[in-house]
Amino acid sequence: EVQLVESGGALVQRGGSLRLSCVVSGFTFTSHWMSWVRQAPGKGLEWVANIKEDGSEKYYVDSVKGRFTISRDNARNSLYLQMNSLRDEDTAVYYCARDDFYNSCLDFWGRGTQVTVSS
Amino acid sequence: SYVLTQPPSVSVAPGQTARITCAGYNIGKRSVHWYQLKPGQAPLLVVYDSTDRPPGIPERFSGSNSGNTATLTISWVEAGDEADYYCQVWDSNSDPYVFGSGTKVSVL
Repeated sequence: EVQLVESGGALVQRGGSLRLSCVVSGFTFTSHWMSWVRQAPGKGLEWVANIKEDGSEKYYVDSVKGRFTISRDNARNSLYLQMNSLRDEDTAVYYCARDDFYNSCLDFWGRGTQVTVSS
Repeated sequence: SYVLTQPPSVSVAPGQTARITCAGYNIGKRSVHWYQLKPGQAPLLVVYDSTDRPPGIPERFSGSNSGNTATLTISWVEAGDEADYYCQVWDSNSDPYVFGSGTKVSVL
């Protein structure tokens, strides 16, 4: 059974930092791109970043470029999102998701972790 | 960037059919994917490549795509289908995963 479990969400002050983690199981982690997607309160889904199987390519939505860093540890079946210089608008539930690169969709997701940025 | 527009809400009685639209320029030329979101649960892919269902998704969920509109159809609606539904396409010109605005399906 494919499982993705996020952790690390918290209440953090504006300008602060946070590191999210996602541990996966039930599939070959090294065979898949991985993504982070977020949903702000009362808003829709927004793709945040993704990373290639070996970590050699990374892409970000414009609003987080230079502030967020996606990474992975294939030995630990883990995906990470380092979030710096947090803003109020980064408040959201953050989901870890597996990229189905062939079909260009996200075929498995975690339950998400809540990040709240407060002054 | 590519824009996908969905109706904010759809209401349907149990046993009836719910149709959720996703409008985008020439969307019929793209693959469209649909996700179901329920509070506290992992989002679930219910239709991919416009018309295909992942393993385990009931046949009650079906998709179509033509012209400027893609549609997710839920037949024989059940109370458990109450959720938010999002369409998504791949866009090579901007952010790779572009989501629609989302539709809340309410079962009366």
